[in-house]
Amino acid sequence: DQQVKQNSPSLSVQEGRISILNCDYTNSMFDYFLWYKKYPAEGPTFLISISSIKDKNEDGRFTVFLNKSAKHLSLHIVPSQPGDSAVYFCAARDRGSTLGRLYFGRGTQLTVWP
Amino acid sequence: EAQVTQNPRYLITVTGKKLTVTCSQNMNHEYMSWYRQDPGLGLRQIYYSMNVEVTDKGDVPEGYKVSRKEKRNFPLILESPSPNQTSLYFCASSLGNTGGYEQYFGPGTRLTVT
Repeated sequence: DQQVKQNSPSLSVQEGRISILNCDYTNSMFDYFLWYKKYPAEGPTFLISISSIKDKNEDGRFTVFLNKSAKHLSLHIVPSQPGDSAVYFCAARDRGSTLGRLYFGRGTQLTVWP
Repeated sequence: EAQVTQNPRYLITVTGKKLTVTCSQNMNHEYMSWYRQDPGLGLRQIYYSMNVEVTDKGDVPEGYKVSRKEKRNFPLILESPSPNQTSLYFCASSLGNTGGYEQYFGPGTRLTVT
């Protein structure tokens, strides 16, 4: 059963607007969360992360919010740019399992149109 | 340049013909992993390794083998490929136990089994 869920397979946003990508998880042992971006014909690349002791982490146009009580995190991209069009994967680390192992969601295809 | 390399990038083969996909990293990472990406299913872990001679199954290990005889290399072996193993494969590495949960991905290997 999927422990990390991205329920929206796709999202379309106009350039300049905010993109909000959502991720839900079921495992209360997850203590570190990451977002990856993937372009076609390339491997996923790390984007931003957040520890479970925080509720927000910012890096330029990208902000990740964590709501532990709801087991929900979101990635905000402001302002969105056409170059942000990619598949975004949410991932989580289980502090109770093998160190180093990450659990991935199925991804959300973001399309930013001019 | 710190990187994860995979070879070949593209491979077309026939059912039953043994093949190996190589993976190498130059970051002295302890943790290495193989994933497959299929439409609608996201990234699913096949096998992982926490260090030399230490490997374990991920979520979809059937039909695959791995070995970790050197820290930098983690080849994926398909002893008797079948059409349902047609997929996009990614190798990844991270510091694992020594800290840093971000995984670094290779560029991917597109495998087609006819």
